[in-house]
Amino acid sequence: EAGVTQSPTHLIKTRGQQATLRCSPISGHTSVYWYQQALGLGLQFLLWYDEGEERNRGNFPPRFSGRQFPNYSSELNVNALELEDSALYLCASSHRDTRNEKLFFGSGTQLSVL
Amino acid sequence: KNQVEQSPQSLIILEGKNCTLQCNYTVSPFSNLRWYKQDTGRGPVSLTIMTFSENTKSNGRYTATLDADTKQSSLHITASQLSDSASYICVVSQNYGGSQGNLIFGKGTKLSVKP
Repeated sequence: EAGVTQSPTHLIKTRGQQATLRCSPISGHTSVYWYQQALGLGLQFLLWYDEGEERNRGNFPPRFSGRQFPNYSSELNVNALELEDSALYLCASSHRDTRNEKLFFGSGTQLSVL
Repeated sequence: KNQVEQSPQSLIILEGKNCTLQCNYTVSPFSNLRWYKQDTGRGPVSLTIMTFSENTKSNGRYTATLDADTKQSSLHITASQLSDSASYICVVSQNYGGSQGNLIFGKGTKLSVKP
């Protein structure tokens, strides 16, 4: 069974540009979550999508946005990049969101903003 | 404030030795507590999930404990191997309708196992 896949693995942008990160969940999973892992910090929740809808978002500005496609894959878009957006962006998937459902993570996209 | 604190921040042990990692949390209301292992450059992998009523859970050489009264958890690794070198992350889920967006992550303990 293929795991959660993310692309690209590395992305280098300059300040003010836009970045698009992609995620394919495990087959059969309908929920996709995005997290930011900045150096030295714990994972911070960004966005949760389920069945094509945004269900919840974390405490991030509106320039962080995304969408989920009919095949449950997802995109994370970051507009007007700032230096502090440099981080590892992790995508995770699960079956329909339940309290004790196990999350499966991808290997992440390392975004560097210069 | 909902927080998850882990200690130590980093740890070096010799191959074959045991070690225990600590997690204290102030997350409320509590739903469950998870331990993840994150290898360098990879995403976290789930080791255990414990609910309020569970105080011990094992996964091979990994044993997690939970004391919901004192809001403390530990992860014990037995007979460490070089492949155990990784960051171990404690995660607490808030009891708000089950959304996994309410996961609070600790900063992790970086474990290095030396030969």
